[in-house]
Amino acid sequence: SSELTQDPAVSVALGQTVRITCQGDSLRNYYASWYQQKPGQAPVLVIYGKNNRPSGIPDRFSGSSSGNTASLTITGAQAEDEADYYCNSRDRSGNHVFATGTKVTVL
Amino acid sequence: QVQLMESGGGVVQPGRSLRLSCAASGFTFSRFGMHWVRQAPGKGLEWVAVISYDGNNKYYADSVKGRFTISRDNSKNTLYLQMNSLRTEDTAVFYCAKDTSPYDISGHYGFGDYWGQGTLVTVSS
Repeated sequence: SSELTQDPAVSVALGQTVRITCQGDSLRNYYASWYQQKPGQAPVLVIYGKNNRPSGIPDRFSGSSSGNTASLTITGAQAEDEADYYCNSRDRSGNHVFATGTKVTVL
Repeated sequence: QVQLMESGGGVVQPGRSLRLSCAASGFTFSRFGMHWVRQAPGKGLEWVAVISYDGNNKYYADSVKGRFTISRDNSKNTLYLQMNSLRTEDTAVFYCAKDTSPYDISGHYGFGDYWGQGTLVTVSS
């Protein structure tokens, strides 16, 4: 089965921009989805498809992809963006896979 | 409004079985693929299984293949996960989540615009 990898942790100063990356072979053929999860809560989808935001997700969240790498960018990070972020994609076998997640700290 | 509500979790001994349910409301259930995702205590998210909108296509994570079965009853707007031969490493909160796009077989549009609150499964002797 396919694998996706993310950096374990990143930090960003309040109001600055942070990019979280996700790498894996499946990303050459399928878009990544990105999820935000805060402690004790269910995940929240923030980006899906080419660069789509569900209703209610602020436009400071954006997604992009190139080759085997997908990226989630938070432009003007806010304190409430501190959370774990996971990418997910489908693979050719029909399965989906999550990466291990990135803990984002807003300083 | 869209609601997903899991039930059926609890404490079970290794080797035993459990069936989870996910009751859906607020959208046309029969048009959307559905997923199960789990999260072990203190760990990351793990995708478990997906079933297509019509129930004809099912895929499983390697860790549960042959032990878990995903199914759905579109007449009851309910998703199921039959879990057999449970292991201690299956201990987790189990979530159900819907595809973002109706009739999506490609998987290009992702899933999880709505999630349930989760149900805890504890496998322990």
